Amino acid sequence: DQQVKQNSPSLSVQEGRISILNCDYTNSMFDYFLWYKKYPAEGPTFLISISSIKDKNEDGRFTVFLNKSAKHLSLHIVPSQPGDSAVYFCAATGGSQGNLIFGKGTKLSVKP
Amino acid sequence: DTGVSQDPRHKITKRGQNVTFRCDPISEHNRLYWYRQTLGQGPEFLTYFQNEAQLEKSRLLSDRFSAERPKGSFSTLEIQRTEQGDSAMYLCASSRGHPIYGYTFGSGTRLTVV
Repeated sequence: DQQVKQNSPSLSVQEGRISILNCDYTNSMFDYFLWYKKYPAEGPTFLISISSIKDKNEDGRFTVFLNKSAKHLSLHIVPSQPGDSAVYFCAATGGSQGNLIFGKGTKLSVKP
Repeated sequence: DTGVSQDPRHKITKRGQNVTFRCDPISEHNRLYWYRQTLGQGPEFLTYFQNEAQLEKSRLLSDRFSAERPKGSFSTLEIQRTEQGDSAMYLCASSRGHPIYGYTFGSGTRLTVV
C-alpha cells in the first residue's frame, strides 16, 4: 500500500513556463512534507519542505502548496529552466523521527 | 562541510558473497539513515540511527542485513549471502534533527549481484 503517490511518471514543460508536480498521500498522521530533486548518478537533493500547519511555503522559484483536506500537495517551479530537468520525489513523515516515505518520482523535462 | 560520503560507488559481487558499504555523514549531524532505491521506485527506508543507537528498522531489512554506527560517527551496512534481488542503489543520508530541514543524501553505492 503506497502511502505517498506521484501519479505522473513524467512531465514535459517549455523553458520559462510553470512546472506543476503533484503528490497525494493517504496517511493523515503525516505532518511534514518534503520535495527532493535527483539527477542521474547522484543522491536526492533536498529542495523545500512544508509543515502541515501551513498551506504554502516559498523559496525562490519553488513553491509548495498543501491541501490537507484533499491530502494533496504540489510543487510549482516558476519560471522553469533546462537545469531543472531531473526526477522529483515527494516525501512525507509523521512525528519528529524523520523517517521519510517517498513517492515513485516524476521525471521533469524542461525544453529550451 | 564535505557532504555525505559513501564508499564504494559501485560494487559487483557474486550471489552468495558478503558485501559491506560505508557511509560518512556530515560531522555535526546526529541522525543517519540508510535507504534502498530500485529502478522506477523512490528511496525505501531501511534503518535509522540517532548517534550510535539504531532506533528503527524496516521490515525490508531481513536478517541478512546488519547496520552499525560505532561511536555515532560513520556507519556500515553489511549484506550477507547476497541475492540477485539485493541489486539496488543503497543511499545513506544524515540530518541534524528535525525532519523539516530535510536530509543530506550521499551519492549512493550501486550494488549489482550476478
